[in-house]
Amino acid sequence: DQQVKQNSPSLSVQEGRISILNCDYTNSMFDYFLWYKKYPAEGPTFLISISSIKDKNEDGRFTVFLNKSAKHLSLHIVPSQPGDSAVYFCAASVRGGGADGLTFGKGTHLIIQP
Amino acid sequence: DADVTQTPRNRITKTGKRIMLECSQTKGHDRMYWYRQDPGLGLRLIYYSFDVKDINKGEISDGYSVSRQAQAKFSLSLESAIPNQTALYFCATSDLVRADTQYFGPGTRLTVL
Repeated sequence: DQQVKQNSPSLSVQEGRISILNCDYTNSMFDYFLWYKKYPAEGPTFLISISSIKDKNEDGRFTVFLNKSAKHLSLHIVPSQPGDSAVYFCAASVRGGGADGLTFGKGTHLIIQP
Repeated sequence: DADVTQTPRNRITKTGKRIMLECSQTKGHDRMYWYRQDPGLGLRLIYYSFDVKDINKGEISDGYSVSRQAQAKFSLSLESAIPNQTALYFCATSDLVRADTQYFGPGTRLTVL
């Protein structure tokens, strides 16, 4: 049973436009959410996170929105740049130290078109 | 120099062989993790360790064992490799305060023939 779902395997966006990546979760115990970015032949790198007590967190061009009632979060990238082309993983944990590690979605491959 | 290193980066082996993947970190973190990624799937947790004396099974620990030799070193062993253990393996670390934010190594691509 997949607890973190990223239903779009890939997404193509034109350079300069907004990229919106979506993530749904089923486990009500999750209360901390993260986005990781992964380039080929590299490990995932932390991008941005959000606690369940917030509904928005912004860091430069990246904003994460959380809708707890819908168990849905999204990552917005504005404006999209060629270097943003990568696989993006949504991850979740039960706060308190990520004691059981992180639960990851399958990832969305974002392709930024020139 | 990378904060989290993994050796080897690539390995091809045969069914039944014993394999050890190694992870070292210079971040000074207490917590270390091993994940596995299969094509089209997210990362799944194999084992994690909070310190040298604390080892815990993750979601998919069957067929694997680990050793935390020191705070900075965490190795993953496949006692008798099988083809469905062909995957990309990642080591990660985190500190106590921000344990949710994990720092990943570059990965080891393991192929079992």
